Amino acid sequence: DAKTTQPTSMDCAEGRAANLPCNHSTISGNEYVYWYRQIHSQGPQYIIHGLKNNETNEMASLIITEDRKSSTLILPHATLRDTAVYYCIVRVFWETSGSRLTFGEGTQLTVNP
Amino acid sequence: DADVTQTPRNRITKTGKRIMLECSQTKGHDRMYWYRQDPGLGLRLIYYSFDVKDINKGEISDGYSVSRQAQAKFSLSLESAIPNQTALYFCATSDPIPGHFFLFFGPGTRLTVL
Repeated sequence: DAKTTQPTSMDCAEGRAANLPCNHSTISGNEYVYWYRQIHSQGPQYIIHGLKNNETNEMASLIITEDRKSSTLILPHATLRDTAVYYCIVRVFWETSGSRLTFGEGTQLTVNP
Repeated sequence: DADVTQTPRNRITKTGKRIMLECSQTKGHDRMYWYRQDPGLGLRLIYYSFDVKDINKGEISDGYSVSRQAQAKFSLSLESAIPNQTALYFCATSDPIPGHFFLFFGPGTRLTVL
């Protein structure tokens, strides 16, 4: 699976959009981008995923560049409860024996009042 | 009620003791996982199981063993605990949507080995 690079930490003002970048320059054509988040010491929570088109759900939007080498997770109106570590993960579509998600260190997002 | 539960939530033990962490799920998923989390290292996979008869080692399985007692239960054992096994442990299940990989995590067990 492709390696991802994320900033260690970011800050955002409450009510503003939080834009979390992820670089995955070695991504291959059959790899999806997944985002999870982990609120302090709780289990990680799935947010969104995508292949090449932009995606939106009730939690967030995912923008993937045309060359797919990077993506941005957007929380449109960040709240204090969005303070968490955000993980960007790239994984090959379709499971094989031994497939699993590998979590790196992620980005610590702090939403300030 | 929580879909993925872990017991105990906190445990302090001594070096050399055997300890078992238990995980139960009501999501009906066949696939279950054990991860550990250490500061600055993200989540690392210890063991995973795709069904009751299938157990696989993850990236850091040394010093650990697992048991899949039923579809809903997956236990992690430390045969002889050592201090560097002090960590936050998470159990997870995965949604069997073909091709994708959505993990559902439990609340975690904080283990301290003195």
